[in-house]
Amino acid sequence: DGGITQSPKYLFRKEGQNVTLSCEQNLNHDAMYWYRQDPGQGLRLIYYSQIVNDFQKGDIAEGYSVSREKKESFPLTVTSAQKNPTAFYLCASSADRVRTEAFFGQGTRLTVV
Amino acid sequence: AQSVTQLDSHVSVSEGTPVLLRCNYSSSYSPSLFWYVQHPNKGLQLLLKYTSAATLVKGINGFEAEFKKSETSFHLTKPSAHMSDAAEYFCVVSALNDMRFGAGTRLTVKP
Repeated sequence: DGGITQSPKYLFRKEGQNVTLSCEQNLNHDAMYWYRQDPGQGLRLIYYSQIVNDFQKGDIAEGYSVSREKKESFPLTVTSAQKNPTAFYLCASSADRVRTEAFFGQGTRLTVV
Repeated sequence: AQSVTQLDSHVSVSEGTPVLLRCNYSSSYSPSLFWYVQHPNKGLQLLLKYTSAATLVKGINGFEAEFKKSETSFHLTKPSAHMSDAAEYFCVVSALNDMRFGAGTRLTVKP
């Protein structure tokens, strides 16, 4: 089965902790993305990567970091610098960043406790 | 620069009646346009896409959308709503290195 797998589905973080959200795809897609979703605000782009070992900041990159060491994997770290991390995080991939549609994982809900 | 405006944050219809979800876009290029659906606590699923071929695009689950360049619109329609259509819908514009999501429209279907 081809697709995108995000883990964990639910994640709880204490104040001041870094946490890493996993995203793996077996679609052989070059481009991968991380979005944050808050109620009533649609999806906002955090980071994207078009090729291994390269990534670009999106609209709300502050307090987040990513890596792209393998084509299949694009983990997102939510650092302690992110002041309001409670949100639903979605990972996506696409064959390229121009004309093709993005495929989404099932999301990770992060809650700060 | 690109942007998407979904004109209704919430639409409520009765089961069996038509659905219309409105989307206007702004783009300096010839964009691709997409509609996605999201059920609660789930990822997004592609409903349909426009990529400069036919202006009337048919998607899954009986949905379709018409690209109108003169009106910069890409409204989503369905002739007859089903209870399972209740979800959040997102319109997306994409061109060059930029993909923008609308704020979403929540569709409620009443029995």
